[in-house]
Amino acid sequence: EVQLVESGGDLVQPGGSLRLSCVASGFTFGSYSVNWVRQAPGKGLEWLSYISHTAEVAYYADSVKGRFTISRDNAKNSLYLQMNSLRAEDTAVYYCTRDEGFCGSSGCYRWADYWGQGTLVTVSS
Amino acid sequence: DIQMTQSPSSLSASVGDRVTITCRASQGISNYLAWFQQKPGKAPKSLIYAASNLQNGVPSKFSGSGYGTDFTLTISSLQPEDFATYYCQQYNSYPLTFGQGTKVEIK
Repeated sequence: EVQLVESGGDLVQPGGSLRLSCVASGFTFGSYSVNWVRQAPGKGLEWLSYISHTAEVAYYADSVKGRFTISRDNAKNSLYLQMNSLRAEDTAVYYCTRDEGFCGSSGCYRWADYWGQGTLVTVSS
Repeated sequence: DIQMTQSPSSLSASVGDRVTITCRASQGISNYLAWFQQKPGKAPKSLIYAASNLQNGVPSKFSGSGYGTDFTLTISSLQPEDFATYYCQQYNSYPLTFGQGTKVEIK
C-alpha cells in the first residue's frame, strides 16, 4: 500500500524556519518525482514545489521561491521542505504528493496520484 | 501562469442527482488535467487524470471529459459519500495550478 506520511509541522514565529519531512512507503520512492502542495485554512489548494526522482530538477511557485527549498533522500525514502523567512500567509496544511506520469515527444507530464495526510504549519507571534 | 477557473463555486444537489462541474483553462492544456476530491478535514484524493481516465479504484459514476481549455467532471448519481469539494488542476506546465474548488452540498 502506498503511504506518504508528513511530519514537522509546528507553531513558528514570523521570520522563523521549519523543516517538513515526508516519509514514503509501499513503493520504490527513488523512481518517482514528488511535490509539496499546501492549503491555507478555509482556502483552496496551492502547488509549491516539485523535485525529480533523482533530485536533479526542482521547480518552485513564485510565492515560495528563494525562501523554501525542496530536497530528498532516496536512501531514506524521504522528501523534505526547508522553509525559511516564514510569513503569516504561509500558515497552511502542507501535503506531499507522489507523481505518476509519462514523457512524450512534447515533454514530460506528471499528475499526483497519491497524497499524504498533511501537516499543519502555523506562523504567528 | 495558467489560470484555472471552476464553475460553479458551490452547488446544492440531492442524492441521485446527476452533477456536472466545469473547469476552464486560460490557455490550451491539451488533456493534461486532473480532478481531485476533498472531504472536510481530509487530504485530497485523486479521481481522474488525462481529463477522462479514472484513477485505480475510483467508481465509474465519476467521469471526465474535455480538451484544450474546457473540461467537465460529472457524477452520474450523487451518493452521500460524494458530498465534498472538487478541484481541477492543470499539469501542462509549471507552475501547476488548481481551480478554486467546487463545493457539492446536500440539498
